[in-house]
Amino acid sequence: GAGVSQTPSNKVTEKGKYVELRCDPISGHTALYWYRQSLGQGPEFLIYFQGTGAADDSGLPNDRFFAVRPEGSVSTLKIQRTERGDSAVYLCASSLGGMNEQFFGPGTRLTVL
Amino acid sequence: GDSVTQMEGPVTLSEEAFLTINCTYTATGYPSLFWYVQYPGEGLQLLLKATKADDKGSNKGFEATYRKETTSFHLEKGSVQVSDSAVYFCALSVTRIVGRGGSNYKLTFGKGTLLTVNP
Repeated sequence: GAGVSQTPSNKVTEKGKYVELRCDPISGHTALYWYRQSLGQGPEFLIYFQGTGAADDSGLPNDRFFAVRPEGSVSTLKIQRTERGDSAVYLCASSLGGMNEQFFGPGTRLTVL
Repeated sequence: GDSVTQMEGPVTLSEEAFLTINCTYTATGYPSLFWYVQYPGEGLQLLLKATKADDKGSNKGFEATYRKETTSFHLEKGSVQVSDSAVYFCALSVTRIVGRGGSNYKLTFGKGTLLTVNP
């Protein structure tokens, strides 16, 4: 079956611009996570959705970052006024919830010039 | 807070060599432990896991044992192959109560270890 998909695979933008990154989880997965992976580092947690609601957004670095999941399936991570330090690979993962395995998408590589 | 420290790479081995990648953790709570692998050009995949002390996770010839007394979860394989070349991440998850009584099972990762196996 289809895995987690993320679009775009690559995004290049200029400092100060707004970007949206999309995640399509595996069908039926109620839990959705966003992580950010900087060069040479492991993924770091950003936000967790259970259904439509953001159950834990404690990993978002500041108020320029926001994410939604309006129908409990597709999620969009939104970054306002991008900065060069936002450059990273943004990963999405979904699961059936609880301690079930998280399945990761291929990531979106964001480059802020 | 929770953290994972894993052996820095890169690690370069010859085919059929023995592999150990060390991983230790700090957690406020009782974590589940994981090894994830990222093959070139692919996304992160779960390799193996262990959910309680003394459990051994195994998959594709890889093994790791949950050692609570030493807070470790070292990855081992007796005979590596060229196809094992990848980046390996140790990770933990501790159930956190959040918001309106829900729970977060987020993963906390180490920095990753690049393994290259030469023929």
